[in-house]
Amino acid sequence: EPEVTQTPSHQVTQMGQEVILRCVPISNHLYFYWYRQILGQKVEFLVSFYNNEISEKSEIFDDQFSVERPDGSNFTLKIRSTKLEDSAMYFCASRGMSSPLHFGNGTRLTVT
Amino acid sequence: SQQGEEDPQALSIQEGENATMNCSYKTSINNLQWYRQNSGRGLVHLILIRSNEREKHSGRLRVTLDTSKKSSSLLITASRAADTASYFCATDTQGGSEKLVFGKGTKLTVNP
Repeated sequence: EPEVTQTPSHQVTQMGQEVILRCVPISNHLYFYWYRQILGQKVEFLVSFYNNEISEKSEIFDDQFSVERPDGSNFTLKIRSTKLEDSAMYFCASRGMSSPLHFGNGTRLTVT
Repeated sequence: SQQGEEDPQALSIQEGENATMNCSYKTSINNLQWYRQNSGRGLVHLILIRSNEREKHSGRLRVTLDTSKKSSSLLITASRAADTASYFCATDTQGGSEKLVFGKGTKLTVNP
């Protein structure tokens, strides 16, 4: 069964550094998302992306965050200047026209 | 409380028993979904129930939805040790929003 893949599985970075989290959504999906889960807390919506543009974003998704679909297969989340509170699991998800979300296994980001 | 709150927070049962998890939400929805998360892994979609449906089955899963009470339940029958995971409900909101709002989840442990 096709799946959403995310790399790396674990990223450690220093505060203030830029990180790029990578995702390969399911190939025929059209809608792409990033969610995050701080340890022990809820899964929170960050951003949705359709037709090469952001369709919706949450208050968490401030100017430090950006998303890009640089080619036909990858979907990236960039955090420009990481803060300690950005430490979390980041999940990429995708879906087709009428299908539920398919999530990747996540990237655990640790900011030190 | 916020949209998508599950209870109990944790549930421990013996293999073969049934497990029931509940979810309450605040706003009007188009549909409600249940996801499962094994430790350190991504979210796996289990079942979606639309706002005009009252009950849905999938294998050993049974989901009910009561829109008048803004609540849903997930029943897992004849549980197995492999069902050990966290279970989350997620709701969309009417009005065309893309995002899913997740609860904090119920951590289910099935003892062999």
